Amino acid sequence: DIVLTQSPALAVSLGQRATISCKTNQNVDYYGNSYMHWYQQKPGQQPKLLIYLASNLASGIPARFSGRGSGTDFTLTIDPVEADDTATYYCQQSRNLPWTFGGGTKLELK
Amino acid sequence: QVQLQQSGAELVKPGSSVKISCKASGYTFTSYDMHWIKQQPGNGLEWIGWIYPGNGNTKYNQKFNGKATLTADKSSSTAYMQLSSLTSEDSAVYFCARGETQGGFFDYWGQGVMVTVSS
Repeated sequence: DIVLTQSPALAVSLGQRATISCKTNQNVDYYGNSYMHWYQQKPGQQPKLLIYLASNLASGIPARFSGRGSGTDFTLTIDPVEADDTATYYCQQSRNLPWTFGGGTKLELK
Repeated sequence: QVQLQQSGAELVKPGSSVKISCKASGYTFTSYDMHWIKQQPGNGLEWIGWIYPGNGNTKYNQKFNGKATLTADKSSSTAYMQLSSLTSEDSAVYFCARGETQGGFFDYWGQGVMVTVSS
């Protein structure tokens, strides 16, 4: 299985930039696409898709969110951070079965 | 608008089975995979498997072979997951999520079903 590693927590100030990383133990690129996706989950809610195929903004997601990366290293950036962004963020790969998720990064405000 | 409405919370006894549902609306049910994802309290997300309602084909995470069985009813646009031989390790929230076939990501999620296994 592909293992995705995320830092457990990140604290940033309102209006600043948050950069959340996700590293994989295998390459998730295939024929020009990076099969890496990002989700936001708030307590008691279902996850919400933010970014798909590494850098594509999902429908209805503000442009403050962006994703980049390839191969084994990926980042989700939130700039500027707003109070409503406090949540846990998960990366997910769909390069190889079984699909797997990172352990999540909890974003908190300083 | 796309909606996935899941059934209510379940309290079940060890060794028993439970079947939870996910009713889809707002899109063509038979044209998208339906995935199931497990989240244990305070833990991350674990992919269980998918079903393609158009033809009933399924694919499971090997870890859940024999534990989860996925089915779908085209007439009611409802997907089901049955969990068998339940133990405390199966206590979790279970989400259904629509899968985008080409990219392998989950663009719409149900609200989740809490399954508690306790005697």
